[in-house]
Amino acid sequence: SQQGEEDPQALSIQEGENATMNCSYKTSINNLQWYRQNSGRGLVHLILIRSNEREKHSGRLRVTLDTSKKSSSLLITASRAADTASYFCATDARWGTSYGKLTFGQGTILTVHP
Amino acid sequence: ETGVTQTPRHLVMGMTNKKSLKCEQHLGHNAMYWYKQSAKKPLELMFVYSLEERVENNSVPSRFSPECPNSSHLFLHLHTLQPEDSALYLCASSPEGRTGSPLHFGNGTRLTVT
Repeated sequence: SQQGEEDPQALSIQEGENATMNCSYKTSINNLQWYRQNSGRGLVHLILIRSNEREKHSGRLRVTLDTSKKSSSLLITASRAADTASYFCATDARWGTSYGKLTFGQGTILTVHP
Repeated sequence: ETGVTQTPRHLVMGMTNKKSLKCEQHLGHNAMYWYKQSAKKPLELMFVYSLEERVENNSVPSRFSPECPNSSHLFLHLHTLQPEDSALYLCASSPEGRTGSPLHFGNGTRLTVT
């Protein structure tokens, strides 16, 4: 089944450093989305990249998508302690019974130390 | 405020109890979702409602019963739950239900079944 898988499972960095998280998936997609979840809260949508796009920016976030490798990366530049959270990728299936349904990975836990 | 409000935030119930989770969205969206988030597992889609019609039921046990009386409100009725049903239950909404548009999540109900 289609499922985003994030790598690494956990990432610990110092404030000011860049954080890179990767996501791999298995089937054709319409788009890929990244979400953030602070402890005990709901998920917050960060950015969406469509299957015909290769790179997208939003503030300190940079997302790339390589459909030939079925992978995406999320880069957070100049990280802050407030970026500490879990980050999830979600894929939107392009075909079949899962069309239009978002499937989430298990997430990367990012800890940014002050 | 996320625009999606879930109540209660925390719920402890015995296996013989009946309780309901409530979700309300003020975003004018036409689709609403229930997700289950358990430790060390990806988010699991439980139910999708689009324009008050259930369009997705992911083989969820009958002890979970959704209700969508209008496009702004969604309930999850619970009865005779099992301890393994303990999890964070997240409600989400989106403008429409099948195009993989970004989801807006509530902060969830932390359910503990004793």
